Amino acid sequence: NAGVTQTPKFRILKIGQSMTLQCTQDMNHNYMYWYRQDPGMGLKLIYYSVGAGITDKGEVPNGYNVSRSTTEDFPLRLELAAPSQTSVYFCASSYRDRGTEAFFGQGTRLTVV
Amino acid sequence: GQNIDQPTEMTATEGAIVQINCTYQTSGFNGLFWYQQHAGEAPTFLSYNVLDGLEEKGRFSSFLSRSKGYSYLLLKELQMKDSASYLCAVRRGGSQGNLIFGKGTKLSVKP
Repeated sequence: NAGVTQTPKFRILKIGQSMTLQCTQDMNHNYMYWYRQDPGMGLKLIYYSVGAGITDKGEVPNGYNVSRSTTEDFPLRLELAAPSQTSVYFCASSYRDRGTEAFFGQGTRLTVV
Repeated sequence: GQNIDQPTEMTATEGAIVQINCTYQTSGFNGLFWYQQHAGEAPTFLSYNVLDGLEEKGRFSSFLSRSKGYSYLLLKELQMKDSASYLCAVRRGGSQGNLIFGKGTKLSVKP
């Protein structure tokens, strides 16, 4: 029972490099989310998706892109990495029904140097 | 706009009771969640409220007042393992399913 799987767990990027953070869930959840969490802070919503083919911006979308071609996958793309993107990134998913909680992946710790 | 406020830090004694408050102002409301997050780990679900009142789940209870935009998480019989951050989150309503989090409250439980 895998749940929400994120890869990689750790990554160091140089300024200006690009990368994709992968997120896969096997619970057939409609909703998927990407959050970033800076030290000592709460979670900031980057992008979310309410179903395959549908994505929308959250609170802090600048510098990121997403796609949702399947129900299972929701990759997050960083095009030109900047030091301000150093953070821990969490992917989460949930059912559409309002009473259901979100399940989180284990996070990706990204450092941009 | 939207805003979710929680105290930054709290300290309590093992065996005691602690109440963590959360106030929110969001465009649309479709439920309030509490999550626990230990340092270096992912958040895990604790409780959910969508109607006014108290929800009890073992040592944890959560209360909601929609008219006041207010919730609290009550932790009883505190244990050392309860030292963690507690995150309040609101799911917006309508076609927007996004889940917005507060900054979290870091709880330290002391012997």
